[in-house]
Amino acid sequence: AQSVSQHNHHVILSEAASLELGCNYSYGGTVNLFWYVQYPGQHLQLLLKYFSGDPLVKGIKGFEAEFIKSKFSFNLRKPSVQWSDTAEYFCAGGSSNTGKLIFGQGTTLQVKP
Amino acid sequence: DTAVSQTPKYLVTQMGNDKSIKCEQNLGHDTMYWYKQDSKKFLKIMFSYNNKELIINETVPNRFSPKSPDKAHLNLHINSLELGDSAVYFCASSQDTGGSGGYTFGSGTRLTVV
Repeated sequence: AQSVSQHNHHVILSEAASLELGCNYSYGGTVNLFWYVQYPGQHLQLLLKYFSGDPLVKGIKGFEAEFIKSKFSFNLRKPSVQWSDTAEYFCAGGSSNTGKLIFGQGTTLQVKP
Repeated sequence: DTAVSQTPKYLVTQMGNDKSIKCEQNLGHDTMYWYKQDSKKFLKIMFSYNNKELIINETVPNRFSPKSPDKAHLNLHINSLELGDSAVYFCASSQDTGGSGGYTFGSGTRLTVV
């Protein structure tokens, strides 16, 4: 069965700390992977996506993610977080065949000033 | 210009009522979706339409009926609302059923059933 799981449910960091949020997927066939961010009270915004090619993907706001096929992982990283990064982060996987986007449970990131 | 717009943004209604949420996209995308976000922030797909044709219909109660008059619109009608229907409903669109180019989400409709 297709699934996406995020290990960290709630992460608290101080400003300037480095961030890594885990994401693992279980898919048969080709999978497209995404990270979305949801700021409090707002809609989902795309941070970055991986379809093929270079497994290290650069996104907006200094975020990046690395696709490691052997580990079925697509972890999100940022070298130095800011208070404004406080938000909910969702990893998602989509099948090129069905277009169905499956979300992980989400990770709440709280950055302390 | 808002790419994916939903109305209303907030909806408070009593149990048993029937309500509709509208969604429109101006991106020229072929595929549209409805997602439900529960109180624990978990997002789950409900439906998807490709060029007015139903593609995905997850195990959603038949009180929920999507309608797509054209490929730029996907409305969600809910009959006999229940307390458990309270959630945030997000509309989304993608270029095609494969999700190429990613998915663009609307700002959400917060439905509260009292």
